[in-house]
Amino acid sequence: QKEVEQDPGPLSVPEGAIVSLNCTYSNSAFQYFMWYRQYSRKGPELLMYTYSSGNKEDGRFTAQVDKSSKYISLFIRDSQPSDSATYLCAMSDGTRGYQKVTFGTGTKLQVIP
Amino acid sequence: SAVISQKPSRDICQRGTSLTIQCQVDSQVTMMFWYRQQPGQSLTLIATANQGSEATYESGFVIDKFPISRPNLTFSTLTVSNMSPEDSSIYLCSVATGGNEQFFGPGTRLTVL
Repeated sequence: QKEVEQDPGPLSVPEGAIVSLNCTYSNSAFQYFMWYRQYSRKGPELLMYTYSSGNKEDGRFTAQVDKSSKYISLFIRDSQPSDSATYLCAMSDGTRGYQKVTFGTGTKLQVIP
Repeated sequence: SAVISQKPSRDICQRGTSLTIQCQVDSQVTMMFWYRQQPGQSLTLIATANQGSEATYESGFVIDKFPISRPNLTFSTLTVSNMSPEDSSIYLCSVATGGNEQFFGPGTRLTVL
């Protein structure tokens, strides 16, 4: 079993839709959670960074962490064609000196105008 | 955050040769990381490079194959040695600026024939 599981998609939605992206994980020591957006032929770009359980909102993006279920989500409201990208979840236990981060495989999202 | 550049952005190489990838950051950072990203797979950490010390390699990666230099707090290189087609991948450098989140460069797309 992988430490982090993420549905690869592709996920195709109409413009304006609410998008839900999810990851599950097995390591209960993870306490730092991140979402990255990666456009084609570009490096990953940090979108959201949360610590422990709860919600965090930034504009059209909301990150949720449920540590009891080992489940994290990223919601995108009013999705735009410019949101079309691959979204990677990532997490860390924060205990190692050099902050090793474990990534999901990414979900490819396409927002259709 | 940090602005990170990588050179080259892409290259096509013959098997048996070596390629050195450069990573430059616009500010001083303690920790730099090198990742490999293969299609359909999550980002895989190759090694962590701290200035003034030997790089720390992850399981499955060895210094003879992936020598790393970190001469100062804004620069690092990764060499892919004695390349084979299996080394064809995107190579990414990233930095940590204090927290557990990491910021990535644009990547180097390597094709080995």
